[in-house]
Amino acid sequence: QGQLVESGGGVVQPGRSLRLSCTASGFTFRSYAMHWVRQAPGKGLEWVAVTSYDGTKKNHADSVKGRFTISRDNSKNTLFLQMDSLRAEDTAVYYCAREIYDSGSRSWWFDPWGQGTLVTVSS
Amino acid sequence: QSALTQPASVSGSPGQSITISCTGTSSDVGSYNLVSWYQQHPGKAPKLMIYEGSKRPSGVSNRFSGSKSGNTASLTISGLQAEDEADYYCCSYAENWTWVFGGGTKLTVL
Repeated sequence: QGQLVESGGGVVQPGRSLRLSCTASGFTFRSYAMHWVRQAPGKGLEWVAVTSYDGTKKNHADSVKGRFTISRDNSKNTLFLQMDSLRAEDTAVYYCAREIYDSGSRSWWFDPWGQGTLVTVSS
Repeated sequence: QSALTQPASVSGSPGQSITISCTGTSSDVGSYNLVSWYQQHPGKAPKLMIYEGSKRPSGVSNRFSGSKSGNTASLTISGLQAEDEADYYCCSYAENWTWVFGGGTKLTVL
């Protein structure tokens, strides 16, 4: 079924950088596109970024474009999110999730999810 | 990338049925019509409950069902149980390789 474990969260000052990691196990990591999704305190889920199975294709939500960069190391079964120029509104729990895509139905879903890592941007 | 529209809250008594709607546009729910639904208990990670609009992963109760009409997808929970009390989110592929979630619905079991 697979398991995802995020790490790297913490308290950081506005304008500084942080890199999150997500380590995968129990499935063939290099075969799947991967996503980051975040959840601000008391708020809903917000899609953040996606990377293709081989890391050659990426996209980011407008809210983080130019500041955050998703990447992956398939040799280490690890997904990353480099977060630069952090703002108070980036404070959230960040989840990584595996994308499942069915070409027949042109349908996408996320499963499993990691437990999340909290990023707090505050001076 | 506007969030899909869900009711902020719904409630029901044990044994009753409730339906949570998820309204988008022709660019997301209406176009790529097979949304997914996630359950999230407080302090926990989201859990997949419905995929491809109406399919249940192994281990998810058949009390959960999904459907879609036009730009609106729906999640129905029948035979409500106390353990169903949680937040529920819909999600759809949007366009240009982006995804969008609903704002979330808090389900209260009375």
